[in-house]
Amino acid sequence: AQKVTQAQTEISVVEKEDVTLDCVYETRDTTYYLFWYKQPPSGELVFLIRRNSFDEQNEISGRYSWNFQKSTSSFNFTITASQVVDSAVYFCALSGGRRDDMRFGAGTRLTVKP
Amino acid sequence: NAGVTQTPKFRILKIGQSMTLQCTQDMNHNYMYWYRQDPGMGLKLIYYSVGAGITDKGEVPNGYNVSRSTTEDFPLRLELAAPSQTSVYFCASSYQGTSGGSPRTDTQYFGPGTRLTVL
Repeated sequence: AQKVTQAQTEISVVEKEDVTLDCVYETRDTTYYLFWYKQPPSGELVFLIRRNSFDEQNEISGRYSWNFQKSTSSFNFTITASQVVDSAVYFCALSGGRRDDMRFGAGTRLTVKP
Repeated sequence: NAGVTQTPKFRILKIGQSMTLQCTQDMNHNYMYWYRQDPGMGLKLIYYSVGAGITDKGEVPNGYNVSRSTTEDFPLRLELAAPSQTSVYFCASSYQGTSGGSPRTDTQYFGPGTRLTVL
């Protein structure tokens, strides 16, 4: 069975601080896909990144970076120099590529204070 | 492209009433999904469809029905609303197919959500 754990329920930081959101996953699949989504206060789900299990390269996109480590089954998300607009709930998700197996973590609520 | 659109944005139902949540996508995606998000929780899959005329149950299908008569539309029906169905409902779509002979699994893109309250 697939499982995603986001142990941090809520994180609060002050603007310009760096913050890392943790994601640990469990799967028996050798090929799988990991995702991060952002849910701002307005409620929509915004896709941030998709990572295949055979590509362990870390990725950086502006202030966002992702650290994928198969050895620890983790796919952590770091925001550098956080801003108030980063305040949102962030979800990590896992799929084995099958039609009905997308599993979401419970989410981490990030609050960035000015 | 509008992407995935959902109507209505908000709805209040009385116990026992029925309603249909509408979902439309214009990305020519073959797969479509319905999820519910309960307060403080992640998303759980209600139903999904791999193409027009084909639907199947997800993790939490009880109390819901779906149909998929076209590629674009995937309505979710609540027949006898119950307070336990108070939630935010998200529709999503993705492309699943092959690329160069290999399976291709694309990202799910979500609609803006429908906030449903059953009193």
